[in-house]
Amino acid sequence: GEDVEQSLFLSVREGDSSVINCTYTDSSSTYLYWYKQEPGAGLQLLTYIFSNMDMKQDQRLTVLLNKKDKHLSLRIADTQTGDSAIYFCAATNYGGSQGNLIFGKGTKLSVKP
Amino acid sequence: DTEVTQTPKHLVMGMTNKKSLKCEQHMGHRAMYWYKQKAKKPPELMFVYSYEKLSINESVPSRFSPECPNSSLLNLHLHALQPEDSALYLCASSWTREGGNTIYFGEGSWLTVV
Repeated sequence: GEDVEQSLFLSVREGDSSVINCTYTDSSSTYLYWYKQEPGAGLQLLTYIFSNMDMKQDQRLTVLLNKKDKHLSLRIADTQTGDSAIYFCAATNYGGSQGNLIFGKGTKLSVKP
Repeated sequence: DTEVTQTPKHLVMGMTNKKSLKCEQHMGHRAMYWYKQKAKKPPELMFVYSYEKLSINESVPSRFSPECPNSSLLNLHLHALQPEDSALYLCASSWTREGGNTIYFGEGSWLTVV
């Protein structure tokens, strides 16, 4: 089955760019998502990318997908203290009947002023 | 409006109590989900409803009983829970349950079993 891996921690200074990396194992994963979870809160969908895309940009967020290496990254430009949260990478298959998301363990982003 | 509303936000219950968690969405989504999230862990799927019918039960103990009264509402009935069931319970929804449909989550209900 699918396995999604992320580094557990990332620390950056305010104003710098943050890059959170994710790898997945199932080459048939066709939809990849980034969710943000602030302390005590639910999951907020940040962005998603389809496997036929290499890049997607949305304001300060840039998602890069290397399908050959099964590597996904989320870049946050001009990182702010409000970006401190846990970021989950998740994958699902178009053909999967469950609509189930396979989550990584989450990357805790700490932004220092 | 991509909003999934969950109530209550916090719930403390004894092991002999019966309580319910509620979830509501008005996006016209026909798939709704319950996830359980323990501290510092990713969410784990519990149940999937598709067109108001239970389509997936991920081997969840019977002390958790889901109910989907209509296409906008999803309940999780709780009875005789154990302290290890304390967790954040997340409701989510999507257009359908097929893979590739973006799943939107609510803010969750924090459950403490004492």
